[in-house]
Amino acid sequence: DVKVTQSSRYLVKRTGEKVFLECVQDMDHENMFWYRQDPGLGLRLIYFSYDVKMKEKGDIPEGYSVSREKKERFSLILESASTNQTSMYLCASSSATGELFFGEGSRLTVL
Amino acid sequence: SQKIEQNSEALNIQEGKTATLTCNYTNYSPAYLQWYRQDPGRGPVFLLLIRENEKEKRKERLKVTFDTTLKQSLFHITASQPADSATYLCALVRYSSASKIIFGSGTRLSIRP
Repeated sequence: DVKVTQSSRYLVKRTGEKVFLECVQDMDHENMFWYRQDPGLGLRLIYFSYDVKMKEKGDIPEGYSVSREKKERFSLILESASTNQTSMYLCASSSATGELFFGEGSRLTVL
Repeated sequence: SQKIEQNSEALNIQEGKTATLTCNYTNYSPAYLQWYRQDPGRGPVFLLLIRENEKEKRKERLKVTFDTTLKQSLFHITASQPADSATYLCALVRYSSASKIIFGSGTRLSIRP
């Protein structure tokens, strides 16, 4: 069974803290994605990676950075968390046919 | 810019009926459309993909149509069951880049017994 695993299901952080969200996939996919999902706004792409050490900005990259040192792992970093980054974060990888496989999500609350 | 809209935020229907969800898009023509199911607090799960040269695709009780003239995809669940209650997302994928997957905001479907 294909699997995308996100390290934390729920996190609570304080404003200004550095936050790491980790994602691992076991399908040998080249493409990996980080989205955030907010009510009424749908899924919005933060960053995309098409290979190790390669990344591309999505629609809302401000305040975020990413790291892809190994093919199976894609990390999202919030350098200095702010309250408007409270959201559900979803990692995904895509097959050659384009379908996305999502993790269970990480719900981040920034106080 | 590319826009994708799902017709209603919520849809409430009786068990056994056919649920029909609509996805409309503007501007660019997609290479293909995808449909996902999402349960509360969980990540979306892929259901079906339909390409621009396909008019219809079926999988068990699910059927997807794609009309490039109307710029619309319809998603049908026949013989609906309470277990089909979830949010359904459509996603549009352009040829040019795998990263250009645009999601609709979803339709929350409730099937009442």
